[in-house]
Amino acid sequence: EDQVTQSPEALRLQEGESSSLNCSYTVSGLRGLFWYRQDPGKGPEFLFTLYSAGEEKEKERLKATLTKKESFLHITAPKPEDSATYLCAALTTDSWGKFQFGAGTQVVVTP
Amino acid sequence: DTEVTQTPKHLVMGMTNKKSLKCEQHMGHRAMYWYKQKAKKPPELMFVYSYEKLSINESVPSRFSPECPNSSLLNLHLHALQPEDSALYLCASSQDPRGNYGYTFGSGTRLTVV
Repeated sequence: EDQVTQSPEALRLQEGESSSLNCSYTVSGLRGLFWYRQDPGKGPEFLFTLYSAGEEKEKERLKATLTKKESFLHITAPKPEDSATYLCAALTTDSWGKFQFGAGTQVVVTP
Repeated sequence: DTEVTQTPKHLVMGMTNKKSLKCEQHMGHRAMYWYKQKAKKPPELMFVYSYEKLSINESVPSRFSPECPNSSLLNLHLHALQPEDSALYLCASSQDPRGNYGYTFGSGTRLTVV
C-alpha cells in the first residue's frame, strides 16, 4: 500500500533558525513528489514538484530535494510569514491524477 | 483567471437539511476534484471528474453526491449529513488529468453539521 509519512508533526522555530522537514514515501512507482503550503482554513498552495532523485528546487527561503525514498523541505532563515502547514504528496505511476498526501508538518516561526 | 472559486466559504447545516457546495474554475483545466480534510489530517479524495467521467471513492457515503454541469463547474450536493461530516471541503483542478502539474486548490468550504 502506498504511504507518505511526514516528520516532525510540528516544528517551532525562532526567526532565522534554519531547519528541515522530512517526507518519506513508500509507493509502487513515483511520478512526482509535490510540496504544498497550507494556511489555516485555506486550501493548499502549490510550492514545488520534484520528478527524479537528485533534483532540487528553490523558492525564496525554501528548498526542496528528492532522494529515492524521501524528500526534504529546507527552510533557511525563516520569517514569521513562513508559518504554515507544509504538505507533501506523491503522484504514483498507477494513479490517475490522485495524490497520496502526507499528514503535514505544522511550522510556527516566532519573532 | 488562475483561481478555483468555492462558495460558500462557511456553511452550518442541520442533519435534515439539503445544501450544495459550488466549485468553479475558468483555467480550462480538464479535471476537477473534491477532497475532505479534517483538522490536522491530510486531504482525502472524494470524487474525480476527468474526461467527462465521474470517479467515486467507494468509501464516500451516498449522502454526498457530485454533479458536473459543465467542464468548469463541479457541485457537491449534501443531504442528511452527520456531525462527523464536519470538515473543510476542498475543490481542486488540474491542467493535466494525470496530475503531472499538480493541483490548483480553492480556499475551501468550512462545513459544520449540527
